[in-house]
Amino acid sequence: DAGVIQSPRHEVTEMGQEVTLRCKPISGHDYLFWYRQTMMRGLELLIYFNNNVPIDDSGMPEDRFSAKMPNASFSTLKIQPSEPRDSAVYFCASSLDRQGSTDTQYFGPGTRLTVL
Amino acid sequence: KQEVTQIPAALSVPEGENLVLNCSFTDSAIYNLQWFRQDPGKGLTSLLLIQSSQREQTSGRLNASLDKSSGRSTLYIAASQPGDSATYLCAVRYNAGNMLTFGGGTRLMVKP
Repeated sequence: DAGVIQSPRHEVTEMGQEVTLRCKPISGHDYLFWYRQTMMRGLELLIYFNNNVPIDDSGMPEDRFSAKMPNASFSTLKIQPSEPRDSAVYFCASSLDRQGSTDTQYFGPGTRLTVL
Repeated sequence: KQEVTQIPAALSVPEGENLVLNCSFTDSAIYNLQWFRQDPGKGLTSLLLIQSSQREQTSGRLNASLDKSSGRSTLYIAASQPGDSATYLCAVRYNAGNMLTFGGGTRLMVKP
């Protein structure tokens, strides 16, 4: 398997523009997670899905952020409108769903977002 | 609020030294604890996972221990090498859902 795939790897945009980040999880994984990493706040969970259904979105900073998972192999994280403080590295991760699971989360390479 | 703290935030050692990275968590009712490695500009890679019923896990030169009663875990790296230079993150999974709570990481540099 190619692992978790994210696109784009880098995104530079201007304040007010819409940004869409994409993620393809590992085939067969039931959970998908979106994280944001900054120097100030470290790694924060934004939202996660189980079997394409959003389970916990309490980490989504505000209404400008939205995430969807239309099918088991694709998810998007959208920011509209974007602001400079959204600049960060956004990671997608996926994992299996098994009771008593020892499975870890597998992370993608991240999307580095810069909002000017 | 469940918090995970890592000390030190940064560490620089000469090659060959044995070293210990520390992780502490506020709630002892954990499901498991993991140590991840992150190289600059890259995603996270899982190194070791310790279930709540376990005391330690070993992989090569790495050994992770878990003491739930004191809310602590350590990652021991034996005979450090320049290739070990990276940021090491500790993450705790609590019983609620499949979420991980991450520490701030320890940035390790091993000098040749």
